[in-house]
Amino acid sequence: GDSVTQMEGPVTLSEEAFLTINCTYTATGYPSLFWYVQYPGEGLQLLLKATKADDKGSNKGFEATYRKETTSFHLEKGSVQVSDSAVYFCALSDRGSWGKLQFGAGTQVVVTP
Amino acid sequence: DAGVTQSPTHLIKTRGQQVTLRCSPKSGHDTVSWYQQALGQGPQFIFQYYEEEERQRGNFPDRFSGHQFPNYSSELNVNALLLGDSALYLCASSWQLAGNSYEQYFGPGTRLTVT
Repeated sequence: GDSVTQMEGPVTLSEEAFLTINCTYTATGYPSLFWYVQYPGEGLQLLLKATKADDKGSNKGFEATYRKETTSFHLEKGSVQVSDSAVYFCALSDRGSWGKLQFGAGTQVVVTP
Repeated sequence: DAGVTQSPTHLIKTRGQQVTLRCSPKSGHDTVSWYQQALGQGPQFIFQYYEEEERQRGNFPDRFSGHQFPNYSSELNVNALLLGDSALYLCASSWQLAGNSYEQYFGPGTRLTVT
């Protein structure tokens, strides 16, 4: 079945450092890929998405590129802020699944001043 | 425009009891999905409702059931609660975008504690 694997956390960074969170997936078809963010005590917010190979999703300084050849969708940000401290989830949705999401385990990011 | 809303925010139940959680979708959305998020884990898909019927279901027992109303709001019911049902329950709403794609919008969740 489909699955999503993320790097384990926590990832601890200093403010203005470069952030990378690795995400790889297994799927039988050509899924859409997503990054969601969860701040403490809150639900999930869609951060960015990509629906086909080589698409780049971007939002709030975060970027991720859909790499079909490596089945990856790594999240990057060039300069993190303390406010970026959260848990980040990589997810996929198969075509024909009416948007059903398969999530990774999540990666906690802690940014210190 | 109100987003996805859920009630209650927190709930404490005793093992063996039954619970009902509620969700109102984002305006214009006709599909509601429910997810269970155990502490420190990613959300797991429970089921999805569309046109007042369960369209698809994840790997959850029949103790988990749901309903969708004509106004697209939804309920999640869990019977015979177990300690392992303690989790954050997330509701997500969506509608079909161009190209047969969907975008899920999540509510803040209901934190269920079973003692």
